[in-house]
Amino acid sequence: GAGVSQTPSNKVTEKGKYVELRCDPISGHTALYWYRQSLGQGPEFLIYFQGTGAADDSGLPNDRFFAVRPEGSVSTLKIQRTERGDSAVYLCASSLTGGGGETQYFGPGTRLLVL
Amino acid sequence: GENVEQHPSTLSVQEGDSAVIKCTYSDSASNYFPWYKQELGKGPQLIIDIRSNVGEKKDQRIAVTLNKTAKHFSLHITETQPEDSAVYFCAASMGYSTLTFGKGTMLLVSP
Repeated sequence: GAGVSQTPSNKVTEKGKYVELRCDPISGHTALYWYRQSLGQGPEFLIYFQGTGAADDSGLPNDRFFAVRPEGSVSTLKIQRTERGDSAVYLCASSLTGGGGETQYFGPGTRLLVL
Repeated sequence: GENVEQHPSTLSVQEGDSAVIKCTYSDSASNYFPWYKQELGKGPQLIIDIRSNVGEKKDQRIAVTLNKTAKHFSLHITETQPEDSAVYFCAASMGYSTLTFGKGTMLLVSP
């Protein structure tokens, strides 16, 4: 079946602008995760959704970052007043129930460049 | 929070040789240890994982070992092939879903 999809694949924006990144998880997966991957680094956790609610948002770096998942499927990561340091690959992953030790399936990522 | 260290950062081998990547973790409560392979321009893909009640797991040319006492785990790839060239990440999880990743190992397999 279809895997995790993310749009856009690439996004170039100017410092100070607002951006939205979209994630479509695998159908039926109740758990959804956002990670950020800087060049040469491993993915870093941002936020985890269980259904419609954010079960853990401890990885969000500051209040410019916000994410929603209103119907428990598609999620949008929103970044306000973008800064050059926000440039990174934003990865989305989903898993079936969110239980410990469950495989997370990653999407291809959105490459964000803030000029 | 959990901290995962991964070594080496780069690894070059000849086709047919074995490759070993090692990771250590800090929190003894971690009990799930997946390994991901990431090719250029793609998202990470799970290749093998191990849980804390198991010491070793093998899947064809890939194996993972776990030493809970020492808090380290390793990925072993035998009979390497050029298509094994990629960045490999280890990760650890403490019983619920959030993964903490290492910084990655770039594996280059030369024909």
